[in-house]
Amino acid sequence: DGGITQSPKYLFRKEGQNVTLSCEQNLNHDAMYWYRQDPGQGLRLIYYSQIVNDFQKGDIAEGYSVSREKKESFPLTVTSAQKNPTAFYLCASSTGTNTNYGYTFGSGTRLTVV
Amino acid sequence: QKEVEQDPGPLSVPEGAIVSLNCTYSNSAFQYFMWYRQYSRKGPELLMYTYSSGNKEDGRFTAQVDKSSKYISLFIRDSQPSDSATYLCAMTLNSGNTPLVFGKGTRLSVIA
Repeated sequence: DGGITQSPKYLFRKEGQNVTLSCEQNLNHDAMYWYRQDPGQGLRLIYYSQIVNDFQKGDIAEGYSVSREKKESFPLTVTSAQKNPTAFYLCASSTGTNTNYGYTFGSGTRLTVV
Repeated sequence: QKEVEQDPGPLSVPEGAIVSLNCTYSNSAFQYFMWYRQYSRKGPELLMYTYSSGNKEDGRFTAQVDKSSKYISLFIRDSQPSDSATYLCAMTLNSGNTPLVFGKGTRLSVIA
């Protein structure tokens, strides 16, 4: 079955550590997205990529980095510069470069700072 | 002013009630409108998709778009406890390659 796989489901980070969240899709979608979800804040766009080896900052990119070396993969690194990383992180993809038909989302990664 | 406004609720209704969920938006260029359902600790799933103004029905769900008022709605008929979730509206321009803009989501509880 086609879909988006995010791993791990739960992740704990110590202060000052960088951590990487995985996102893999087998839908043959060109575009991929990372969102952060906090209670009462809705979905906030971190980064997105419309094509391999290219990506753009979203509304809250500070403290995060991404890469897009393969069409199927769009990992997100939460760096130590992100001062409040505890949140639910969602990866999504869309057909081609056309978002008119919506996204397919992964099941999310819950990141907690310990 | 936020681009998309959505009342976060929570909204609590008895089983069998008709539920109305709404979003308003400020950008008149939005052309495509979606509703997502998100269960707790899960990713959102696409529920309804509409283009421009008008109504679209799918089973117990009806999506309505009024572009003149910049207002979209999702109606759920004969609501069930399994409908308890957060509902997010989303929309995008007609350019085809811009990220979706989401509302903050409305948390719905349907009580048996």
